[in-house]
Amino acid sequence: GAVVSQHPSWVICKSGTSVKIECRSLDFQATTMFWYRQFPKQSLMLMATSNEGSKATYEQGVEKDKFLINHASLTLSTLTVTSAHPEDSSFYICSALNNHEQFFGPGTRLTVL
Amino acid sequence: ILNVEQSPQSLHVQEGDSTNFTCSFPSSNFYALHWYRWETAKSPEALFVMTLNGDEKKKGRISATLNTKEGYSYLYIKGSQPEDSATYLCAFDLNTGNQFYFGTGTSLTVIP
Repeated sequence: GAVVSQHPSWVICKSGTSVKIECRSLDFQATTMFWYRQFPKQSLMLMATSNEGSKATYEQGVEKDKFLINHASLTLSTLTVTSAHPEDSSFYICSALNNHEQFFGPGTRLTVL
Repeated sequence: ILNVEQSPQSLHVQEGDSTNFTCSFPSSNFYALHWYRWETAKSPEALFVMTLNGDEKKKGRISATLNTKEGYSYLYIKGSQPEDSATYLCAFDLNTGNQFYFGTGTSLTVIP
């Protein structure tokens, strides 16, 4: 139980394009999901908390217009990196909250050329 | 920003050796400490949720202890096997699962 999927696993895009990453809870409903980013040799850093049916809460320093989050159902949250630039290249990983625990997807490696 | 530290950063052990690593965290405003095992290209797998000072939890050959007063948790692996090779992450939970602060992880390689 408590499986979270994330797609795509990796994506390469040109600078200026937008990329959408999906996070799904497969066997439970998640009112709250989280989006993290990890730079090489650093820890997972929370970008935003995604709440079903309401606006996401962004951490300080994370541009909400750059990283659009939509949590339209209890099993799906999406992160869209708009007008991606090389500095947005990173590893993005989501988690879903279930009974006070976070269950993670496998992550998405984004490379912006 | 809360400081959660893990040591060592990486570890190589021989198959059959026992090993342990540390997660240090703030001793105030503690809710829980989570341990995850993260293999490359897979989702981090939840190992333990530690909530009470003095907690000791065990799952097969892996166990963990918690000291909230001094702000540390140890993860032990007894008789390491190659399949134990992974990155072990700890996360300091400030608020009922809603606010995690991660360490940078300990990368364990078990040499056959």
